[in-house]
Amino acid sequence: GESVGLHLPTLSVQEGDNSIINCAYSNSASDYFIWYKQESGKGPQFIIDIRSNMDKRQGQRVTVLLNKTVKHLSLQIAATQPGDSAVYFCAETSNDYKLSFGAGTTVTVRA
Amino acid sequence: DGGITQSPKYLFRKEGQNVTLSCEQNLNHDAMYWYRQDPGQGLRLIYYSQIVNDFQKGDIAEGYSVSREKKESFPLTVTSAQKNPTAFYLCASMRRAPGDTQYFGPGTRLTVL
Repeated sequence: GESVGLHLPTLSVQEGDNSIINCAYSNSASDYFIWYKQESGKGPQFIIDIRSNMDKRQGQRVTVLLNKTVKHLSLQIAATQPGDSAVYFCAETSNDYKLSFGAGTTVTVRA
Repeated sequence: DGGITQSPKYLFRKEGQNVTLSCEQNLNHDAMYWYRQDPGQGLRLIYYSQIVNDFQKGDIAEGYSVSREKKESFPLTVTSAQKNPTAFYLCASMRRAPGDTQYFGPGTRLTVL
């Protein structure tokens, strides 16, 4: 079946550096992509989303890039802070109602 | 978590007992969802409901049941038929409008002893 996955399960980054979290998807019909942040013991928190008619979208300190040709999605976090330590999930959907989630990347920020 | 509440935060049950997890939202969202999360894994869809009095099975519905009698409430029952019920359960809701996304509650951690 179709799947969504992240390239690396863990990422360690120095405080102040930029972080890049990658995600590959296989469903060519996917047209809506979301990044979530989940802190330990809490529910996922929406970070940013992007539709398939866009290549890039920016938020506050975060940027999502979409490469439909290779079915790749990335989340860039600028000037990573200790509060950015969490598990990051990408999710995709082709019908706006059901999401498919990747396994997540655990980001650890070193002081 | 805004507007979506799940209770209780921690729940302990003996093996063989049914247990019901609560999910309430005051966001006036039409669609509601239940996910299961196991350690180190992503979210797997159990059931979802797009409108009141209607719901559909997700990818891992066996051993679970739901009801949607009110727009703001979507309780999940974990039955004794669920082979491995210990997990973190997440409820989410969404407007039925293009461009919206799912918003999650704080979760309930269920431990079956």
